Amino acid sequence: EVQLVESGGGLVPSGGSLRLSCAASGFTISSYWMHWVRQAPGKGLVWVSHINSDASDTDYADSVKGRFTISRDNAKNTLYLQMNSLRVEDTAVYYCASSNWFDRWGQGTLVTVSS
Amino acid sequence: QSVVTQPPSASGTPGQRVTISCSGSSSNIGGNTVSWFQQLPGTAPKVLIHSNDQRPSGVPDRFSGSKSGTSGSLAISGLQAEDEADYYCATWDDSLNAWVFGGGTKLTVL
Repeated sequence: EVQLVESGGGLVPSGGSLRLSCAASGFTISSYWMHWVRQAPGKGLVWVSHINSDASDTDYADSVKGRFTISRDNAKNTLYLQMNSLRVEDTAVYYCASSNWFDRWGQGTLVTVSS
Repeated sequence: QSVVTQPPSASGTPGQRVTISCSGSSSNIGGNTVSWFQQLPGTAPKVLIHSNDQRPSGVPDRFSGSKSGTSGSLAISGLQAEDEADYYCATWDDSLNAWVFGGGTKLTVL
């Protein structure tokens, strides 16, 4: 079965860190751009970051620039998001998605940042 | 406030045709393609349309997309109860060097 599975979410105090993972199965991510998209409770989708197939190119939303780092391990077929200096406003469900089409999405992992 | 704008809500009766707009600028929709996503309650988003008007396999042909200038549009014909969901447009913004999503449109099937 083709799927993306996120993990690593949880409750963290403001200023803390978390590392999210997105494991792919049923296909290899090595050919694709990969993305992180988040959704605060009751709110819309917000793009967070993306990384190209060989990790030579990354971009970030202004709201997370300098605090979040996207990376990938194609050998492990896994995408990561290192989140530092977390803020209450980073509270959201974080989804990973594949390709410029955003054609495959994981089920999401909830990150809750407490004040 | 997103740089691409969607109406917050839309509605229609079963069998009707509904359109949802996505308005941007020359730095985003004007120079790049538009994708559309459906998010059913409590689930992850699903791509309906990419590259302005391309439907991935498995998406019913009741869903169609178009783009003109700095605006994109999603049309749903033969509206069904199961189409009740949130719909989002997305595109790349050359000025922000970022993907941007519209704020979302909540579709109600009356």
